Amino acid sequence: AQKITQTQPGMFVQEKEAVTLDCTYDTSDPSYGLFWYKQPSSGEMIFLIYQGSYDQQNATEGRYSLNFQKARKSANLVISASQLGDSAMYFCAMREGGGNEKLTFGTGTRLTIIP
Amino acid sequence: GAGVSQTPSNKVTEKGKYVELRCDPISGHTALYWYRQSLGQGPEFLIYFQGTGAADDSGLPNDRFFAVRPEGSVSTLKIQRTERGDSAVYLCASSPAQSYNEQFFGPGTRLTVL
Repeated sequence: AQKITQTQPGMFVQEKEAVTLDCTYDTSDPSYGLFWYKQPSSGEMIFLIYQGSYDQQNATEGRYSLNFQKARKSANLVISASQLGDSAMYFCAMREGGGNEKLTFGTGTRLTIIP
Repeated sequence: GAGVSQTPSNKVTEKGKYVELRCDPISGHTALYWYRQSLGQGPEFLIYFQGTGAADDSGLPNDRFFAVRPEGSVSTLKIQRTERGDSAVYLCASSPAQSYNEQFFGPGTRLTVL
């Protein structure tokens, strides 16, 4: 079974609108972390936001928030007031365990912001 | 401060040749990771170092792939007898010991095997 599933290969969103990128995960480990990374056309992976499995509140970082629904095993990324510079690939990833373990990535969603 | 750097940025080689890819992590980061990203895919884990030792090498596809980190800082990914299927972007990331919340990625090395 896929550990990280991103079901939206591509999305088009009007500038200034909010957008939700879907991510579901599969793990039996009670301790895990969920990450979102942005990868522009330049190729570098840019960390956006992190949610720990024991965190009580949804993570927020500026215009980014993570809609964490533990029972549903979903960790959707919400970008508010989208900007042209948000056009990129977005990857959801999971770390299983409580240490510095590896990340398992999904296949990504290509987001295009329309002016 | 300086981020993770990787050299070369691009490498073109012929099938059967040996290549080395280098990663310079952020100073003081004890954890170092290698990932491989094929076209249209997310990064796939190869190997993880904690200090000088490989804590997890379960992602290395076969024995043609090997990585070292002799002094706990710079790491080299070595690929022997390259095959066309090895063509990908090889990403390196590092993380400080006290934080499990982020891996900082380098710009990657694009390897093309002809």
